[in-house]
Amino acid sequence: AQSVAQPEDQVNVAEGNPLTVKCTYSVSGNPYLFWYVQYPNRGLQFLLKYITGDNLVKGSYGFEAEFNKSQTSFHLKKPSALVSDSALYFCAVRDIYGGSQGNLIFGKGTKLSVKP
Amino acid sequence: EPEVTQTPSHQVTQMGQEVILRCVPISNHLYFYWYRQILGQKVEFLVSFYNNEISEKSEIFDDQFSVERPDGSNFTLKIRSTKLEDSAMYFCASSLYRRTERGYEQYFGPGTRLTVT
Repeated sequence: AQSVAQPEDQVNVAEGNPLTVKCTYSVSGNPYLFWYVQYPNRGLQFLLKYITGDNLVKGSYGFEAEFNKSQTSFHLKKPSALVSDSALYFCAVRDIYGGSQGNLIFGKGTKLSVKP
Repeated sequence: EPEVTQTPSHQVTQMGQEVILRCVPISNHLYFYWYRQILGQKVEFLVSFYNNEISEKSEIFDDQFSVERPDGSNFTLKIRSTKLEDSAMYFCASSLYRRTERGYEQYFGPGTRLTVT
């Protein structure tokens, strides 16, 4: 079965410093990987995705993610964090096992806190 | 920019009552989903809907749940007899779809917080 793990419940970063939010996955076959962000009292906003091609994927708000097949990871990164990046971040994999039409399987989320 | 909308933003109901959560997906999207997020837990898939029928459903989506697309724009989730454990944030999502392409991202609405008392 497909699964996603986000090993950190919370990540604390100082503004201006680089940030990394970790995600590892377990899938059968090629993965379809996504990052979403959830601001307080808001829905999930799509940030970026990896389907195929370059391992470094660029997305919204200056975020990027690196797909690493050997480590089965898809870590979210940003070179310089902003206080406004503080939110809950979810990694997700598209469930295509057994003919599934593609519902998302989410990690438990990582709370990012950026301090001034 | 088009977005998924959901109403109401917050619904309070008594145990045993029926609730209907409403969603308006992005207009040119063909695939619709409901997810839920119990407070402090991960987002969980409930059901997907395509071409006026359920495409997939999870174990959570039992006989108490149903979905409907009553017209060309709305997509609803009905819970027939709510239980305390149904209290959660319910998210609607939509995406483009092609049979040969599974790379389309899903766009989520802001959610409906359901509180069952």
